[in-house]
Order: sequence, then structure tokens, then C-alpha cells
Amino acid sequence: AQTVTQSQPEMSVQEAETVTLSCTYDTSESDYYLFWYKQPPSRQMILVIRQEAYKQQNATENRFSVNFQKAAKSFSLKISDSQLGDAAMYFCAYQEGSNYKLTFGKGTLLTVNP
Amino acid sequence: NAGVTQTPKFQVLKTGQSMTLQCAQDMNHEYMSWYRQDPGMGLRLIHYSVGAGITDQGEVPNGYNVSRSTTEDFPLRLLSAAPSQTSVYFCASSWSGFQMGSPLHFGNGTRLTVT
Repeated sequence: AQTVTQSQPEMSVQEAETVTLSCTYDTSESDYYLFWYKQPPSRQMILVIRQEAYKQQNATENRFSVNFQKAAKSFSLKISDSQLGDAAMYFCAYQEGSNYKLTFGKGTLLTVNP
Repeated sequence: NAGVTQTPKFQVLKTGQSMTLQCAQDMNHEYMSWYRQDPGMGLRLIHYSVGAGITDQGEVPNGYNVSRSTTEDFPLRLLSAAPSQTSVYFCASSWSGFQMGSPLHFGNGTRLTVT
């Protein structure tokens, strides 16, 4: 079974600074998808960013970008110009291509200090 | 457009009781799934469905039943609740391209406590 590891249970960042959340995964497949989801205190799960493994280019969404290192099986999330509203639990997730199952990491709780 | 609607938001059960967590989506999504979220465990897949009449097990299916009689609804049944089933439950759906990496749309969750 695939595993997704988020080695940082908690992180903190000062408002307006940059923070990077780590994620590694274990797979022998070449076709897969990676995601970062955000869960604020409201409990709602929100998609932050998505990456297709066959794409070399790192995905970006406004202040959110990823560093996708396929050979190292690493998929880190960088949040630039952190805002108070970025405070949340962040989950990394892996999906094998043509598979209906999504595997989540255990999450990283991000605190943003004013 | 309501998206994915879960009811109830909160529930307390006694050990051995049964109940059904409801999930409905109005996006005509073929794929629906149930996850449970426990502290320090992330989200774990319980059951999923790729269309009406088709269901399959996820990572932690024991103690839970599902059925999918319509595209819109995907209820999760606990036949005999146990304290180990205390958790937050999420329903999530996606369009038919889910196996090609389309993202999940989540409901707001149900917090279930079994005493």
C-alpha cells in the first residue's frame, strides 16, 4: 500500500513570511497525482493545489507553489507572504493513476503568528 | 448549488446503537466516498462508489455498510456502534474523471461520539 509521510506535525510562520511544508510518498508507479488539501478550524476540506506526476513543471496557485521532486518522491508545499487565514491543518495526498483511492498523510498544523 | 451535504453535523450514540450518516451531492458526480478523520491519523478511506449500484471497500471498512441506489446519495451505516468509531466523518465526491486525478469535493463533516 502507498504511504504518505508528513514529517512535521506542527509548523509556525510569521505573517508575511514564507513557509515550506514537507511531504514524501512511497510508490513504484510512474502515473499518479499529488494534492495538498487545507483544513481550517471550520473543518471544511479545501483543495490547495494539484500536481500530475508526468508534468515536470511545478504547480502554482497564487501564493501557493509546490516543489515536486519525482526521483526523491518528495512533494513540498511553499506558502509565500503568509496570511492569518492560512492557519490550518494541511494534508498531503497521493492517488495512483486509474485508481479510485486517495491516500492522505497525517497532516501538518500550521500556525501563523501576527 | 449546495455541493456535498452531510447530515447530521453532530451525533452521540451509545455502544451497540445503529445509525445512518447521510450524504447527498447535487453536482451529478459519479464518484462518492466516505473518510474518517482521527487525531494524528489523517483521513482514511472507509468505502467508495463509482456509480449507482457500485460500491467497494477502502482502507478501514469494518463496522460500516454503504449502498448507492441513486447518483445523488451515498449513506454510511453503522450497524452496531463501538467507541472505536468515535471520529469525524467526511463524505466526498468527484466527477467521473476521479481516477485521472480530479479533486474531491468534501462535505462539512459529521462529528460522531460513541459512549
